Amino acid sequence: EAQVTQNPRYLITVTGKKLTVTCSQNMNHEYMSWYRQDPGLGLRQIYYSMNVEVTDKGDVPEGYKVSRKEKRNFPLILESPSPNQTSLYFCASSGTNYGYTFGSGTRLTVV
Amino acid sequence: DQQVKQNSPSLSVQEGRISILNCDYTNSMFDYFLWYKKYPAEGPTFLISISSIKDKNEDGRFTVFLNKSAKHLSLHIVPSQPGDSAVYFCAASANFGNEKLTFGTGTRLTIIP
Repeated sequence: EAQVTQNPRYLITVTGKKLTVTCSQNMNHEYMSWYRQDPGLGLRQIYYSMNVEVTDKGDVPEGYKVSRKEKRNFPLILESPSPNQTSLYFCASSGTNYGYTFGSGTRLTVV
Repeated sequence: DQQVKQNSPSLSVQEGRISILNCDYTNSMFDYFLWYKKYPAEGPTFLISISSIKDKNEDGRFTVFLNKSAKHLSLHIVPSQPGDSAVYFCAASANFGNEKLTFGTGTRLTIIP
C-alpha cells in the first residue's frame, strides 16, 4: 500500500530535549515536505526537499532541521524544542501528479 | 500574510443539499489549485484540483470552480452526504511544476442527517 509513515503519533517532551520525528514513504517520490497545523493558521510549510541531499526552507523553518540522505526518508529534527513548537505535524510526499500524500500526523506537546 | 484564505471556519449543511466551500487568494502567480479533505486523527487527503487554464473541473459529486479575475475558487459537493463531514483545505501553487503548496486555514463542514 502506498503510504507515508510518520513516527511517533504522539509525543510529550520537555523544553530543550532534542527530538526527531521520522517520515518514510514507499512511493519513490522525489519531493517531500513537512507541515505544521495550528488552529486558525491552517497548514504551514516548515521545510521541503526536491530530492536526495536537496533541502530548503519553507515558511516557518525556525527551530527545525531536516535531512534527506535517502529518497524514502525525511526526518524532522528539533534540536532544542520550545513550547511554541507544540503543534500537529504532517509529513507529505509528492510524485509528478501534484497530489500530496500525507502521513497520519504527529501531535507534539512541549512542556 | 495569508495568501490563501478560507473565511468561513465552519459550515453546516443538510444531507442531500449542496455544500459550497469558498477560498480566496491574493498571489496572482498561483496557477494551480487543490482541495484536500481531513478527518480527525488522519492526514489530509487529496480531493480535486484545477489549473488556471480551466474554470471548472468535475469529479463525481465534487466540482471546483475557478474565477481568476476575482481570485476566488469554490468547491461544490452535490448531494452532500454524512461522510463528507470533515475539514476542507484549499491549497495553491505558483509556477506550475513547483510543488510548494500554500494552504488555507480550513473550513469544517458538518453534514446534518
